[in-house]
Amino acid sequence: EDQVTQSPEALRLQEGESSSLNCSYTVSGLRGLFWYRQDPGKGPEFLFTLYSAGEEKEKERLKATLTKKESFLHITAPKPEDSATYLCAVQGLYGSGNTGKLIFGQGTTLQVKP
Amino acid sequence: NAGVTQTPKFQVLKTGQSMTLQCAQDMNHEYMSWYRQDPGMGLRLIHYSVGAGITDQGEVPNGYNVSRSTTEDFPLRLLSAAPSQTSVYFCASSYTGDGNQPQHFGDGTRLSIL
Repeated sequence: EDQVTQSPEALRLQEGESSSLNCSYTVSGLRGLFWYRQDPGKGPEFLFTLYSAGEEKEKERLKATLTKKESFLHITAPKPEDSATYLCAVQGLYGSGNTGKLIFGQGTTLQVKP
Repeated sequence: NAGVTQTPKFQVLKTGQSMTLQCAQDMNHEYMSWYRQDPGMGLRLIHYSVGAGITDQGEVPNGYNVSRSTTEDFPLRLLSAAPSQTSVYFCASSYTGDGNQPQHFGDGTRLSIL
């Protein structure tokens, strides 16, 4: 069964204190791994798609990396406006691959204090 | 370009009532889907559609009905509301459901069933 686990559940950082969020996944063939940001009262906002092990994507202070079993979202010198819940989702090649079904983790809630 | 628009933003129902959650997108996306988000559960797929006139069930379809008469609209109907359907509902869309393009989400409908 396809599964996604994110850790930690919550993370508090001081402004400028770099850290990483983890997304571990099991899937019968990976079609894509997606990172989203969700602000309170809003829908998930797309950040990155990763397709194969070794791939990296960057956007401002965020960098996503992918291995065969997990993905990391690295946050460099975070600012208070980076505070949000970060969601990881996978789409498998088989079964769910034809339905567009995303398997989501439960998210990591990041708080960055000034 | 509004993206994915969901209405209403909030709704309170009594057990047994029916209602329709509206979802519209203006990006000419063929693929649309409905998810529900519950604390500790992550987002779960309810129903999806790969184009006008074509719908199918996702992971948690019981108690919900959908139709897709146009490319733009994908309403979700609760037939007889139950307290277990209290949740936040998100509509998403993408050009296709094959994972080659990210899915874009609306800001959700927060539904309470009393």
